Amino acid sequence: SQTIHQWPATLVQPVGSPLSLECTVEGTSNPNLYWYRQAAGRGLQLLFYSVGIGQISSEVPQNLSASRPQDRQFILSSKKLLLSDSGFYLCAWDRGGFQETQYFGPGTRLLVL
Amino acid sequence: GENVEQHPSTLSVQEGDSAVIKCTYSDSASNYFPWYKQELGKGPQLIIDIRSNVGEKKDQRIAVTLNKTAKHFSLHITETQPEDSAVYFCAATTFATGNQFYFGTGTSLTVIP
Repeated sequence: SQTIHQWPATLVQPVGSPLSLECTVEGTSNPNLYWYRQAAGRGLQLLFYSVGIGQISSEVPQNLSASRPQDRQFILSSKKLLLSDSGFYLCAWDRGGFQETQYFGPGTRLLVL
Repeated sequence: GENVEQHPSTLSVQEGDSAVIKCTYSDSASNYFPWYKQELGKGPQLIIDIRSNVGEKKDQRIAVTLNKTAKHFSLHITETQPEDSAVYFCAATTFATGNQFYFGTGTSLTVIP
């Protein structure tokens, strides 16, 4: 069966510090991968998605970036965090191709102070 | 792009009663509609989905109905239990490149024992 991991689970960072969140998927190959952000009490905002290694599409211009160095690894980064970057970050995957359901990871709660 | 609206934002029901959450979408090309349940501090979990060639789908106490003409779909939970308390999200997609899902803003359901 497939499993998706995210770490860290929680993170408290000062404004201006760098960020690196990691997501890995087990039990499948060539998945589509997604990064979402969920602000407190709000819906899900798609940040980035990737259909393959090195292929990243950005949905929202911001100070975040994403990379996919391996088939089942997706990384969300920032060089300098802003207060507004606080939120719950979710990684998701699907089997690739079309008409596939997305499955979410456990999330990383980020608090920028 | 697609716009998904979800109502109500909060819903309280007595244990054993039914709960109904409604979503509308704007893009008539959308053809897949999943529902996710998110418990506090966790990632969303898929609970049921429906494709555009079906008008209704049921899984035990959970059912989803779709009206493509009116562009709305609904989640029905019967015989609610306290463990049904969570935030529920609807989504819609046309399965274009990257399988981008468009999410509603969520419904916080509380089942009162």
